[in-house]
Amino acid sequence: GDSVTQMEGPVTLSEEAFLTINCTYTATGYPSLFWYVQYPGEGLQLLLKATKADDKGSNKGFEATYRKETTSFHLEKGSVQVSDSAVYFCALSVPGGGYQKVTFGTGTKLQVIP
Amino acid sequence: NAGVTQTPKFRVLKTGQSMTLLCAQDMNHEYMYWYRQDPGMGLRLIHYSVGEGTTAKGEVPDGYNVSRLKKQNFLLGLESAAPSQTSVYFCASSRGLTTASNQPQHFGDGTRLSIL
Repeated sequence: GDSVTQMEGPVTLSEEAFLTINCTYTATGYPSLFWYVQYPGEGLQLLLKATKADDKGSNKGFEATYRKETTSFHLEKGSVQVSDSAVYFCALSVPGGGYQKVTFGTGTKLQVIP
Repeated sequence: NAGVTQTPKFRVLKTGQSMTLLCAQDMNHEYMYWYRQDPGMGLRLIHYSVGEGTTAKGEVPDGYNVSRLKKQNFLLGLESAAPSQTSVYFCASSRGLTTASNQPQHFGDGTRLSIL
C-alpha cells in the first residue's frame, strides 16, 4: 500500500540555520505530494505541494522538489525563524478510489531557538 | 473566513458515554473527512463523505458513526466511548473535482477528547 516515511524528530535548530526534513514515499500510480504544517493547538495547514515529477513547490521560504527517481520530497528552508517552530507532515494523494485518499507521515517536530 | 469549524474544542467523557463532534465548512466543498491524531501515528482516516447524504468507512471506523445531512456539516458520533478513543480529532474538507488528488485538504483546529 501507499506509505510516507519522514525523519523522526524533534529537530532543534538555531535561528537562521538551514533546514532539511527528509520525506520518502511509496505509492501506486502517480501521487501528488504535500507538506502540511501544524502550529501548537491548531489544525494542519497546507504549506506547499507538487503534482508531478520535477515540480518544485514553494511557500514562505520553504521549498520541496518532487523527485520521482528517488521517490522523495524533502522540505528545505535556507534560514529558519523562531516562528517556524511547528510540526511538519509530508503527505501523498493518489488519484482514483472515488475520494481523495491522503496518506500522512508521522510528522517531524521542529524547534527553532533564538 | 471561518473555513472549517469544529465544536467542541475540548471534552472529557466517562467510559460508556456518548457524544457527537460537530464540523462545519463554509467553502462549499464536496468532500469531508474525520481523522484522529495520536502520538507517533500521524493522522488516520475514520470516515469520509463525498457528498451530502453519503458516508463511507476509512482506515479506523470501528466505534464511530457519521452523518452528513447537509453539505456543509459532517458529524462524528461515539455511541459508547472507550479509553482507546482518547485522541485529537480533526475534520477536513476538500473540493470534489476530477483532479481531486491534487487538491489540498482544509483542516479545523481539532477537538481534544479524553475518555476516562
